[in-house]
Amino acid sequence: DADVTQTPRNRITKTGKRIMLECSQTKGHDRMYWYRQDPGLGLRLIYYSFDVKDINKGEISDGYSVSRQAQAKFSLSLESAIPNQTALYFCATHGGLYEEQFFGPGTRLTVL
Amino acid sequence: AQKVTQAQTEISVVEKEDVTLDCVYETRDTTYYLFWYKQPPSGELVFLIRRNSFDEQNEISGRYSWNFQKSTSSFNFTITASQVVDSAVYFCALSEARNNAGNMLTFGGGTRLMVKP
Repeated sequence: DADVTQTPRNRITKTGKRIMLECSQTKGHDRMYWYRQDPGLGLRLIYYSFDVKDINKGEISDGYSVSRQAQAKFSLSLESAIPNQTALYFCATHGGLYEEQFFGPGTRLTVL
Repeated sequence: AQKVTQAQTEISVVEKEDVTLDCVYETRDTTYYLFWYKQPPSGELVFLIRRNSFDEQNEISGRYSWNFQKSTSSFNFTITASQVVDSAVYFCALSEARNNAGNMLTFGGGTRLMVKP
């Protein structure tokens, strides 16, 4: 089984709809991240969390919110989706400074 | 602020050619980590290598090799005898040890490598 899972894998929605993307991990890591990928821009950080009570904004948090329901679960919400939020979204976990980040398979979101 | 630049947006080679993907970074921290990730057409991100700022030894893993030079702030990636399966987008990334954002990764824009048979 995959260490980091994301649901859904693909989603098409309409402008103004509320969308939740979910991430679960079995690695036992405290640190979790949400990134979005746009062509030519690499991945950019939306939000990150050190533990259930510690949530922080990344460089592009406007229009997004998150919830850390448990150590293993970190959800990303788009309260009112807009077309320029169409992107590939990745969840990642991190065991600490000396480790690489482990990424989920990604969620492809299209906002019409 | 940290920054990663991958100047080559797209490279096309013929199978068995060697190819080097460039990565230049900026950081004010003395302790940092550099990474390379591969994103095949299926979309997932595959970790390739991590290098810390105190270890400038080059590394070779099969057909892959990495050249880390602090003097030029570069961490280049070479694929020897490229194969069609190497076709992917490759990302270079940087993490600062004292970064306030929880060791967030700053990614370059990626280099799309196309290996033709």
